[in-house]
Amino acid sequence: QQQVKQSPQSLIVQKGGISIINCAYENTAFDYFPWYQQFPGKGPALLIAIRPDVSEKKEGRFTISFNKSAKQFSLHIMDSQPGDSATYFCATKSWGKLQFGAGTQVVVTP
Amino acid sequence: DSGVTQTPKHLITATGQRVTLRCSPRSGDLSVYWYQQSLDQGLQFLIQYYNGEERAKGNILERFSAQQFPDLHSELNLSSLELGDSALYFCASSVDPSPNEQFFGPGTRLTVL
Repeated sequence: QQQVKQSPQSLIVQKGGISIINCAYENTAFDYFPWYQQFPGKGPALLIAIRPDVSEKKEGRFTISFNKSAKQFSLHIMDSQPGDSATYFCATKSWGKLQFGAGTQVVVTP
Repeated sequence: DSGVTQTPKHLITATGQRVTLRCSPRSGDLSVYWYQQSLDQGLQFLIQYYNGEERAKGNILERFSAQQFPDLHSELNLSSLELGDSALYFCASSVDPSPNEQFFGPGTRLTVL
Protein backbone atom coordinates (compact mmCIF):
# COMPACT_ATOMS: atom_id res chain seq x y z
CA GLN A 1 0.00 0.00 0.00
CA GLN A 2 1.13 3.52 -0.78
CA GLN A 3 1.80 5.21 2.57
CA VAL A 4 3.12 8.28 0.83
CA LYS A 5 0.75 9.86 -1.68
CA GLN A 6 2.41 12.16 -4.20
CA SER A 7 0.81 14.53 -6.68
CA PRO A 8 0.72 15.51 -9.45
CA GLN A 9 1.93 12.56 -11.51
CA SER A 10 3.46 14.98 -14.00
CA LEU A 11 3.70 18.67 -14.63
CA ILE A 12 4.93 20.98 -17.33
CA VAL A 13 6.25 24.38 -16.38
CA GLN A 14 7.78 27.18 -18.38
CA LYS A 15 11.34 28.28 -17.75
CA GLY A 16 11.32 30.72 -14.87
CA GLY A 17 8.08 29.37 -13.45
CA ILE A 18 7.39 27.64 -10.14
CA SER A 19 6.98 23.88 -9.85
CA ILE A 20 5.06 22.58 -6.84
CA ILE A 21 4.88 18.93 -5.85
CA ASN A 22 2.83 17.73 -2.90
CA CYS A 23 3.07 14.69 -0.66
CA ALA A 24 0.88 13.36 2.12
CA TYR A 25 1.77 10.64 4.58
CA GLU A 26 -0.18 8.51 7.02
CA ASN A 27 2.18 7.19 9.67
CA THR A 28 3.51 9.62 12.28
CA ALA A 29 6.61 7.63 13.18
CA PHE A 30 8.77 9.06 10.42
CA ASP A 31 11.84 11.04 11.40
CA TYR A 32 13.03 12.46 8.10
CA PHE A 33 11.40 13.65 4.90
CA PRO A 34 13.75 13.70 1.90
CA TRP A 35 13.19 14.54 -1.72
CA TYR A 36 15.10 12.63 -4.36
CA GLN A 37 15.73 13.74 -7.94
CA GLN A 38 16.14 11.23 -10.74
CA PHE A 39 17.35 11.96 -14.26
CA PRO A 40 16.67 9.49 -17.09
CA GLY A 41 19.06 6.56 -17.00
CA LYS A 42 20.34 7.46 -13.53
CA GLY A 43 19.58 6.41 -9.99
CA PRO A 44 17.76 8.77 -7.62
CA ALA A 45 19.91 11.26 -5.73
CA LEU A 46 19.10 13.20 -2.58
CA LEU A 47 18.06 16.75 -3.43
CA ILE A 48 16.89 18.27 -0.16
CA ALA A 49 15.40 17.00 3.11
CA ILE A 50 13.65 18.23 6.23
CA ARG A 51 13.17 17.05 9.79
CA PRO A 52 9.65 17.05 11.30
CA ASP A 53 10.49 19.77 13.84
CA VAL A 54 11.11 22.31 11.07
CA SER A 55 8.38 23.94 8.96
CA GLU A 56 10.48 25.09 6.03
CA LYS A 57 13.89 24.48 4.52
CA LYS A 58 15.39 26.31 1.58
CA GLU A 59 18.43 25.38 -0.48
CA GLY A 60 18.98 27.62 -3.45
CA ARG A 61 15.92 27.44 -5.70
CA PHE A 62 14.48 24.44 -3.86
CA THR A 63 12.24 24.78 -0.79
CA ILE A 64 10.48 22.18 1.30
CA SER A 65 7.38 23.23 3.24
CA PHE A 66 6.32 20.87 6.02
CA ASN A 67 2.93 20.81 7.77
CA LYS A 68 3.09 18.29 10.59
CA SER A 69 -0.53 18.64 11.70
CA ALA A 70 -1.80 18.05 8.18
CA LYS A 71 0.80 15.31 7.53
CA GLN A 72 1.78 17.00 4.31
CA PHE A 73 4.98 18.31 2.79
CA SER A 74 5.74 19.90 -0.52
CA LEU A 75 8.63 20.78 -2.80
CA HIS A 76 8.75 24.15 -4.50
CA ILE A 77 11.17 24.71 -7.36
CA MET A 78 11.54 28.43 -7.96
CA ASP A 79 12.76 29.91 -11.25
CA SER A 80 12.52 26.46 -12.87
CA GLN A 81 15.24 25.70 -15.43
CA PRO A 82 15.35 23.14 -18.27
CA GLY A 83 18.06 21.33 -16.30
CA ASP A 84 15.48 20.71 -13.55
CA SER A 85 13.56 18.40 -15.91
CA ALA A 86 13.58 15.12 -14.00
CA THR A 87 11.43 12.86 -11.88
CA TYR A 88 11.07 13.91 -8.27
CA PHE A 89 10.25 11.51 -5.44
CA CYS A 90 9.20 12.47 -1.96
CA ALA A 91 9.98 9.94 0.72
CA THR A 92 9.55 9.25 4.39
CA LYS A 93 12.19 7.61 6.51
CA SER A 94 11.83 5.44 9.55
CA TRP A 95 14.69 3.36 10.96
CA GLY A 96 16.69 3.62 7.78
CA LYS A 97 13.83 2.41 5.60
CA LEU A 98 12.75 4.81 2.87
CA GLN A 99 9.18 4.75 1.61
CA PHE A 100 8.86 6.61 -1.68
CA GLY A 101 5.98 8.40 -3.29
CA ALA A 102 5.02 7.43 -6.84
CA GLY A 103 7.09 10.22 -8.37
CA THR A 104 6.37 13.39 -10.35
CA GLN A 105 7.81 13.89 -13.79
CA VAL A 106 8.67 17.55 -14.24
CA VAL A 107 9.28 19.01 -17.67
CA VAL A 108 10.56 22.55 -17.92
CA THR A 109 10.03 24.07 -21.34
CA PRO A 110 12.42 26.70 -22.70
CA ASP B 1 28.62 9.53 -9.93
CA SER B 2 27.47 8.16 -6.57
CA GLY B 3 30.30 5.65 -6.21
CA VAL B 4 27.86 2.72 -6.19
CA THR B 5 28.34 0.32 -9.08
CA GLN B 6 25.88 -2.18 -10.45
CA THR B 7 26.30 -4.91 -13.04
CA PRO B 8 25.03 -5.73 -15.53
CA LYS B 9 23.50 -2.53 -16.88
CA HIS B 10 20.95 -4.42 -18.94
CA LEU B 11 19.69 -7.99 -18.74
CA ILE B 12 17.26 -9.72 -21.06
CA THR B 13 16.03 -13.17 -20.16
CA ALA B 14 13.05 -15.48 -20.51
CA THR B 15 10.25 -16.40 -18.15
CA GLY B 16 11.17 -19.12 -15.68
CA GLN B 17 14.85 -18.26 -15.70
CA ARG B 18 17.08 -17.14 -12.84
CA VAL B 19 19.35 -14.08 -12.80
CA THR B 20 21.82 -12.49 -10.41
CA LEU B 21 22.30 -8.76 -10.08
CA ARG B 22 25.46 -7.45 -8.48
CA CYS B 23 26.13 -4.31 -6.46
CA SER B 24 29.31 -2.81 -5.07
CA PRO B 25 28.66 -0.13 -2.44
CA ARG B 26 30.63 3.06 -2.01
CA SER B 27 33.96 2.61 -0.33
CA GLY B 28 33.39 2.53 3.42
CA ASP B 29 29.64 1.95 3.26
CA LEU B 30 28.43 -1.00 5.30
CA SER B 31 24.75 -0.94 4.43
CA VAL B 32 23.25 -2.01 1.11
CA TYR B 33 19.65 -1.61 -0.01
CA TRP B 34 17.81 -3.06 -2.99
CA TYR B 35 14.89 -1.34 -4.70
CA GLN B 36 12.65 -2.26 -7.60
CA GLN B 37 11.35 0.51 -9.87
CA SER B 38 8.52 -0.23 -12.24
CA LEU B 39 6.06 2.03 -14.00
CA ASP B 40 3.02 0.83 -12.06
CA GLN B 41 4.60 0.30 -8.64
CA GLY B 42 7.04 3.18 -8.39
CA LEU B 43 10.18 2.73 -6.29
CA GLN B 44 9.71 -0.18 -3.91
CA PHE B 45 12.10 -1.12 -1.12
CA LEU B 46 13.04 -4.79 -1.26
CA ILE B 47 15.67 -5.54 1.36
CA GLN B 48 18.52 -4.07 3.40
CA TYR B 49 21.78 -5.62 4.57
CA TYR B 50 24.16 -4.16 7.10
CA ASN B 51 27.66 -5.55 7.44
CA GLY B 52 26.62 -8.91 6.08
CA GLU B 53 23.41 -9.32 8.05
CA GLU B 54 19.86 -8.82 6.87
CA ARG B 55 18.52 -5.70 8.58
CA ALA B 56 15.14 -4.90 7.06
CA LYS B 57 12.77 -6.49 4.62
CA GLY B 58 10.26 -4.80 2.38
CA ASN B 59 8.06 -6.04 -0.41
CA ILE B 60 10.41 -8.78 -1.54
CA LEU B 61 8.90 -11.83 -3.18
CA GLU B 62 9.82 -15.32 -1.98
CA ARG B 63 11.29 -15.97 -5.46
CA PHE B 64 13.83 -13.24 -4.75
CA SER B 65 16.75 -13.48 -2.37
CA ALA B 66 19.79 -11.41 -1.57
CA GLN B 67 23.00 -11.59 0.35
CA GLN B 68 25.91 -9.38 1.32
CA PHE B 69 29.37 -10.86 1.18
CA PRO B 70 32.37 -10.27 3.49
CA ASP B 71 33.79 -7.76 1.02
CA LEU B 72 30.43 -5.93 1.37
CA HIS B 73 29.28 -6.36 -2.20
CA SER B 74 25.75 -7.63 -2.55
CA GLU B 75 23.86 -9.83 -4.96
CA LEU B 76 20.15 -9.98 -5.65
CA ASN B 77 18.95 -13.30 -7.02
CA LEU B 78 15.69 -13.44 -8.94
CA SER B 79 14.31 -16.85 -9.83
CA SER B 80 11.32 -18.30 -11.68
CA LEU B 81 11.11 -15.00 -13.47
CA GLU B 82 7.76 -13.68 -14.64
CA LEU B 83 6.92 -10.97 -17.14
CA GLY B 84 5.94 -8.71 -14.25
CA ASP B 85 9.45 -8.82 -12.86
CA SER B 86 10.63 -6.62 -15.70
CA ALA B 87 11.80 -3.44 -13.99
CA LEU B 88 14.76 -1.33 -13.00
CA TYR B 89 16.57 -2.69 -9.97
CA PHE B 90 18.54 -0.20 -7.92
CA CYS B 91 21.10 -0.76 -5.27
CA ALA B 92 21.86 1.94 -2.73
CA SER B 93 24.40 2.15 0.05
CA SER B 94 25.12 4.11 3.19
CA VAL B 95 27.67 4.18 5.97
CA ASP B 96 25.34 3.37 8.84
CA PRO B 97 22.12 1.35 9.01
CA SER B 98 19.74 4.26 9.60
CA PRO B 99 21.15 7.06 7.49
CA ASN B 100 19.58 10.29 6.33
CA GLU B 101 20.97 9.73 2.85
CA GLN B 102 21.26 6.67 0.67
CA PHE B 103 23.46 6.72 -2.41
CA PHE B 104 21.95 5.01 -5.41
CA GLY B 105 23.70 3.14 -8.19
CA PRO B 106 22.79 3.52 -11.87
CA GLY B 107 20.49 0.49 -11.81
CA THR B 108 20.11 -2.74 -13.75
CA ARG B 109 17.31 -2.87 -16.29
CA LEU B 110 15.79 -6.35 -16.35
CA THR B 111 13.58 -7.38 -19.24
CA VAL B 112 11.76 -10.70 -19.00
CA LEU B 113 10.40 -11.95 -22.33
